[in-house]
Amino acid sequence: EVQLVQSGAEVKKPGESLKISCKGSGYSFTSYWIGWVRQMPGKGLEWMGIIYPGDSDTRYSPSFQGQVTISADKSISTAYLQWSSLKASDTAMYYCARSPQSHWFDPWGQGTLVTVSS
Amino acid sequence: EIVLTQSPGTLSLSPGERATLSCRASQSVSSSYLAWYQQKPGQAPRLLIYGASSRATGIPDRFSGSGSGTDFTLTISRLEPEDFAVYYCQQYGSSPPGTFGQGTKVEIK
Repeated sequence: EVQLVQSGAEVKKPGESLKISCKGSGYSFTSYWIGWVRQMPGKGLEWMGIIYPGDSDTRYSPSFQGQVTISADKSISTAYLQWSSLKASDTAMYYCARSPQSHWFDPWGQGTLVTVSS
Repeated sequence: EIVLTQSPGTLSLSPGERATLSCRASQSVSSSYLAWYQQKPGQAPRLLIYGASSRATGIPDRFSGSGSGTDFTLTISRLEPEDFAVYYCQQYGSSPPGTFGQGTKVEIK
């Protein structure tokens, strides 16, 4: 069974750094893209960026370029999303999802809730 | 960046009725690279349709997708109680970014 399992919920203060993870299993991790999607409270889905773990080719939405960093460690089949300095406006649910050829997303991880509050 | 506009914002229907959801793109979506997702409260989205009209694995045949160019439609032929949810379209023909629509909520009338 193809699965993406994300790290647990985080509560952080503004200005702190954070790295959340997404571990893939049940398929060849280096043969599919992994994307990240933001969902702010009560809002819709936003495409953040995507990485191909096979060669670390990474692409960002202009809205998120420079705001987050996407990476992957293929030796442990894990992708990451990180912030160097969180803001309250980063409070959201973050989903990772597998993508063939940087196309549609299937399946999705269970989501990681990030809360940034002083 | 391609902008997707979904309509209506909310669709109020009864079980057994037909649901028709629209997704309109600000410019042509190449190769019908459009997907549809379903999201229920407290759950991650689930892929329903890709390539505008291909059903994902395990998706019932009451869900169908159609369209090309700038106009796409998701049809649920007969609503089951478990179909009441929010539906999103996504284009991936011009990526990055693979933009999403703002969603259509299908609620029980």
